[in-house]
Amino acid sequence: AQKITQTQPGMFVQEKEAVTLDCTYDTSDPSYGLFWYKQPSSGEMIFLIYQGSYDQQNATEGRYSLNFQKARKSANLVISASQLGDSAMYFCAMRGGNSGYSTLTFGKGTMLLVSP
Amino acid sequence: DTEVTQTPKHLVMGMTNKKSLKCEQHMGHRAMYWYKQKAKKPPELMFVYSYEKLSINESVPSRFSPECPNSSLLNLHLHALQPEDSALYLCASSQDAGQNMNTEAFFGQGTRLTVV
Repeated sequence: AQKITQTQPGMFVQEKEAVTLDCTYDTSDPSYGLFWYKQPSSGEMIFLIYQGSYDQQNATEGRYSLNFQKARKSANLVISASQLGDSAMYFCAMRGGNSGYSTLTFGKGTMLLVSP
Repeated sequence: DTEVTQTPKHLVMGMTNKKSLKCEQHMGHRAMYWYKQKAKKPPELMFVYSYEKLSINESVPSRFSPECPNSSLLNLHLHALQPEDSALYLCASSQDAGQNMNTEAFFGQGTRLTVV
């Protein structure tokens, strides 16, 4: 069974500052993928960044980077230079499975509020 | 075109009504999903279709009936719902639902359903 844990229900950051959103995971699958999604109040889940379990380098996408520490089973999202539009719910998710189908398992999410 | 389109965006229905939610994607994806999301909670997987066949049903009550008429369309037929079924219903698609762990899922904006 897979499990994703996000321990921060809410985070506050000032505009232009960097912020780290925590995510730990548990799985017995040797191969898995880790994802971060952003969900604004409009409801759409927006894909931000992906990290594969065998990737040697930490993933980066623009202002988003993923701090992947495999031994600690953590995949924290770092947002640099926060913007007001970054205020949203952020979900960490994992894709894995051994039944022939792999599905996304989501953490409980972290609400990020960016202040001017 | 990296878009998943869901209609309607909002739906209010009585407990005796029959309604349908629709989802469409034109990315050539062969896996489509229905998720249910309650307020301030993560999305919960309901159904997975792979190559137009129902692959996963997460023990969803029969008052929810999915249908995949073709590879681009996914419907969710609703009948005799309860007030506790009120939620955001998200549709997603991905290239496949197999063991490719870097397969990201693209989500629609969701349908906000209220059962009265």
